[in-house]
Amino acid sequence: DAKTTQPTSMDCAEGRAANLPCNHSTISGNEYVYWYRQIHSQGPQYIIHGLKNNETNEMASLIITEDRKSSTLILPHATLRDTAVYYCIVRGTDSWGKLQFGAGTQVVVTP
Amino acid sequence: EAQVTQNPRYLITVTGKKLTVTCSQNMNHEYMSWYRQDPGLGLRQIYYSMNVEVTDKGDVPEGYKVSRKEKRNFPLILESPSPNQTSLYFCASSLLWTGNTEAFFGQGTRLTVV
Repeated sequence: DAKTTQPTSMDCAEGRAANLPCNHSTISGNEYVYWYRQIHSQGPQYIIHGLKNNETNEMASLIITEDRKSSTLILPHATLRDTAVYYCIVRGTDSWGKLQFGAGTQVVVTP
Repeated sequence: EAQVTQNPRYLITVTGKKLTVTCSQNMNHEYMSWYRQDPGLGLRQIYYSMNVEVTDKGDVPEGYKVSRKEKRNFPLILESPSPNQTSLYFCASSLLWTGNTEAFFGQGTRLTVV
């Protein structure tokens, strides 16, 4: 699976959009981009995933660049409950189901 | 409610005393797996199962056993726990093992081996 690079941490003001970048320059054609988050030692929570097209759900939007070498997770209106570690993971069909977690980005939403 | 349930949530045990951490999912998922999380090392996969009676090693399988006799259950067995297995454990399940399905995680089991 392709490796990902994320900033170590970022702050966001409550009510503002949070834009979380992720680089995955070695991604291959059959690999999906996944985002999970983990709130203080709870089980990781799925947010969104995509292959090529931008995706949106009730939690977030995922913007994937045309060359697929990077992506951005957007939390449209951050709340204090969005404070968590966010993981960007690239996973292919040959990963045998494994999610390769990196260090993630610690996002702190402040009032 | 769709969920992955782990028990117990917290466990303190002594070296060498066999223990089992249970994991159950109610979503009829084929794929289940176990991860451990340690400071500075992140989440690492221990074992996984692609279906009933089909299991395989993940990245850190030493000291652990698993079984998948029923689709919904995937217990993690520590035959002779050691202090280096003190960790936060997560069970996860997904519909399939391929790259287009989301994983659901349990709430975690914090294990301390003294």
